[in-house]
Amino acid sequence: KAGVTQTPRYLIKTRGQQVTLSCSPISGHRSVSWYQQTPGQGLQFLFEYFSETQRNKGNFPGRFSGRQFSNSRSEMNVSTLELGDSALYLCASSFGLPLRDTQYFGPGTRLTVL
Amino acid sequence: EDQVTQSPEALRLQEGESSSLNCSYTVSGLRGLFWYRQDPGKGPEFLFTLYSAGEEKEKERLKATLTKKESFLHITAPKPEDSATYLCAVQEYSGYALNFGKGTSLLVTP
Repeated sequence: KAGVTQTPRYLIKTRGQQVTLSCSPISGHRSVSWYQQTPGQGLQFLFEYFSETQRNKGNFPGRFSGRQFSNSRSEMNVSTLELGDSALYLCASSFGLPLRDTQYFGPGTRLTVL
Repeated sequence: EDQVTQSPEALRLQEGESSSLNCSYTVSGLRGLFWYRQDPGKGPEFLFTLYSAGEEKEKERLKATLTKKESFLHITAPKPEDSATYLCAVQEYSGYALNFGKGTSLLVTP
């Protein structure tokens, strides 16, 4: 069974630009969550989508947004990039049900903002 | 205030030297506690899910246990390939987000 895939794996942008990251979940999983990982803050929850609806949202500014498509694939967008947005962005997928919510992570997208 | 605290931050063991990693948590209603392993530059790899106090799970040299306030990851006779960062995360009944601790960086030397 294929795991979670994320594209691109590496990205370099400059301040003020915007970026879109993509995530394909494990087949059959309907929930996709996004996390930001930095050395100082560790792993922080961005948002979670289930059946194309945002179900949970973390404490991040509105510059961070996402969406989920009918095939469960998800994208996240960061507008007006800041230096502090440099991080590893991780996507995780799960069934999204109360007793079946083990989240499996993809390899991440390493974003560098110059 | 951190909901999930892991200790120690870093641990160095000799091959074969058993030890335990700690994850203490404060949540109003625990849906599940998760352990992951993360190698440098990679995404976290799922190890265990624990749902209720008293529950234990094992996988090779690893054993995870859960009480009402903390979880332990016991590593028996570790090998160098067990070197990684071990992450603990909790999920509350109020949502599906995982709240992670800062991790324990484990180094096992030959």
